[in-house]
Amino acid sequence: QVLLVQSGTEVKKPGASVKVSCKASGFTFRNFYFHWVRQAPGQGLEWMGVTNPGGGITTYAQNFQGRITISRDVSTATVFMDLSSLTSEDTATYYCAREYGTAWAPSLDIWGQGTLVTVSS
Amino acid sequence: DIQMTQSPSSLSASVGDRVTITCRASQTITSSLNWYQQIPGKAPKLLIYASSILQGGVPSRFSGSGSGTDFTLTITSLQPEDFATYYCQQTYRTPNTFGQGTKVEI
Repeated sequence: QVLLVQSGTEVKKPGASVKVSCKASGFTFRNFYFHWVRQAPGQGLEWMGVTNPGGGITTYAQNFQGRITISRDVSTATVFMDLSSLTSEDTATYYCAREYGTAWAPSLDIWGQGTLVTVSS
Repeated sequence: DIQMTQSPSSLSASVGDRVTITCRASQTITSSLNWYQQIPGKAPKLLIYASSILQGGVPSRFSGSGSGTDFTLTITSLQPEDFATYYCQQTYRTPNTFGQGTKVEI
């Protein structure tokens, strides 16, 4: 079964960092790009960034530049998203997702279950 | 960044209705447009990719069309399980921006 399983709920204080993991199973991990998307409570989806199959190339949304690091560990088939200098505006559910399809029209076909990150003093 | 604008933001419909949601891109994105369905408390689910290709396992009452800047998601004969929020996303260029969502309510 093709699955992405994310790490559990996090509660962080302002200024702290959070690292969310996303473990893949049921497919060849090294062949796929992985994206991160977040959703603040009651709000829409916000694209954060993507990592390539080799892990050497990442692209981040401008909103997160300098605060986000997406990495991957092929040995454990896990993708990580690290977000620093947290504020209350970073309170959200964070999703990882697998990229699927052609280079000219990729889509996100498999999603993790989401990880709630709450930032509060 | 490419801006994606969905309309309407919400709509009320009944079981059996035909529903149409539109998505407009701020510049051409050819056919690099996806549609997702999200039920509260759940992760988004891919419905349609490349503007008009139905993802495996998605009922045929869902269809998509469009290219360039204007796109449409149509649900024929709305079913109870279709009451959800729908998002478009462009993957023509990073950042792969989403529309603001359309909530389909009873």
